[in-house]
Amino acid sequence: KAGVTQTPRYLIKTRGQQVTLSCSPISGHRSVSWYQQTPGQGLQFLFEYFSETQRNKGNFPGRFSGRQFSNSRSEMNVSTLELGDSALYLCASRLARSTDTQYFGPGTRLTVL
Amino acid sequence: DQQVKQNSPSLSVQEGRISILNCDYTNSMFDYFLWYKKYPAEGPTFLISISSIKDKNEDGRFTVFLNKSAKHLSLHIVPSQPGDSAVYFCAARRNNNDMRFGAGTRLTVKP
Repeated sequence: KAGVTQTPRYLIKTRGQQVTLSCSPISGHRSVSWYQQTPGQGLQFLFEYFSETQRNKGNFPGRFSGRQFSNSRSEMNVSTLELGDSALYLCASRLARSTDTQYFGPGTRLTVL
Repeated sequence: DQQVKQNSPSLSVQEGRISILNCDYTNSMFDYFLWYKKYPAEGPTFLISISSIKDKNEDGRFTVFLNKSAKHLSLHIVPSQPGDSAVYFCAARRNNNDMRFGAGTRLTVKP
């Protein structure tokens, strides 16, 4: 069974631009969560989607948004990029919201210049 | 709010010895705890977990201990191997809510 895939793997943008990241969960998994990883901060929870609905949201500004499609694939969008948005963005999927273990994709490395 | 803390950013251990990675949490409502391992350029991979109703869970060379009264968990790796060198994240969740991660500890196992 294929793992979680994320595209693109690397991305370079400039301040003020917007970006869309994509995540395809493990087949059959319906919950998708997004995390931001920066040095020294660990993984910061962004949001979780299940059945095309946002279920949980972390403490990030409204510039960060996401959505989930009927096939469970998810996208994350960041508008008006700032230098501080440079990070590794990780997507994780799990079978259902009652499932404890999440499986991560390789991440998208976003660099904002 | 850093509800899960890994106070040691790095740890260096000799091959064959025990590695002990520590994690503290502040929210007593957490009911499930996990450890993930992360290699560079890869996403975290699940290692081992423990429910709050237990105080120990073992899987091969990896054992997780949970001390609820101290709000502390630890991961023991015995014996440590060079391939264990990675960043280790502890995570906690409650009632199917979002998972909270620590900042990670970089483990280096020297041959």
